[in-house]
Amino acid sequence: DAKTTQPPSMDCAEGRAANLPCNHSTISGNEYVYWYRQIHSQGPQYIIHGLKNNETNEMASLIITEDRKSSTLILPHATLRDTAVYYCIVRLVSTGNQFYFGTGTSLTVIP
Amino acid sequence: GAVVSQHPSRVICKSGTSVKIECRSLDFQATTMFWYRQFPKQSLMLMATSNEGSKATYEQGVEKDKFLINHASLTLSTLTVTSAHPEDSSFYICSARDTTGGHYGYTFGSGTRLTVV
Repeated sequence: DAKTTQPPSMDCAEGRAANLPCNHSTISGNEYVYWYRQIHSQGPQYIIHGLKNNETNEMASLIITEDRKSSTLILPHATLRDTAVYYCIVRLVSTGNQFYFGTGTSLTVIP
Repeated sequence: GAVVSQHPSRVICKSGTSVKIECRSLDFQATTMFWYRQFPKQSLMLMATSNEGSKATYEQGVEKDKFLINHASLTLSTLTVTSAHPEDSSFYICSARDTTGGHYGYTFGSGTRLTVV
């Protein structure tokens, strides 16, 4: 699976949009981009995933560049409960493929 | 949505004893489950892939005789830390893939905090 690069930490003001970047320049054509987050001492939580097109759900939006070499996760109105470590993962969607986690971005939402 | 239950959430054991951690998929069947370990302020490290009805596949550097994995049914995988030592103290997390879900991603358990004293 392709390797990802994320900034180690970011701050965001409560109520503002949080934009978390991810670089995955070696992604292959059939690899998806997944985002998970981990709140302290809990298991990771699925946020969103995409292949080529931008995606939006009730939690976030995912913007993937046209060349697919990078993406941005957007939390439109960050709350204090969004403080967590956010992981960007790229992987093939096929039976049994594991998730390998990188170092992630520690997002702190500031009151 | 898919739920993965992990038990216990916390366990303290004496050095030299064994500890079993259970991972259950509550509303779906999982032929494959995964076990991760996470040390403080570090990312999740994949330890092994648990396959129902067959032997687990371990990542490089993970001792299979120390971390015994049993996946006896389509909804249950167990990880047994044998002869635990203080350096085995960590946060252990399991995950399972719900193929009925739209995202073909993985659902994670809430983790088990193991402290070996």
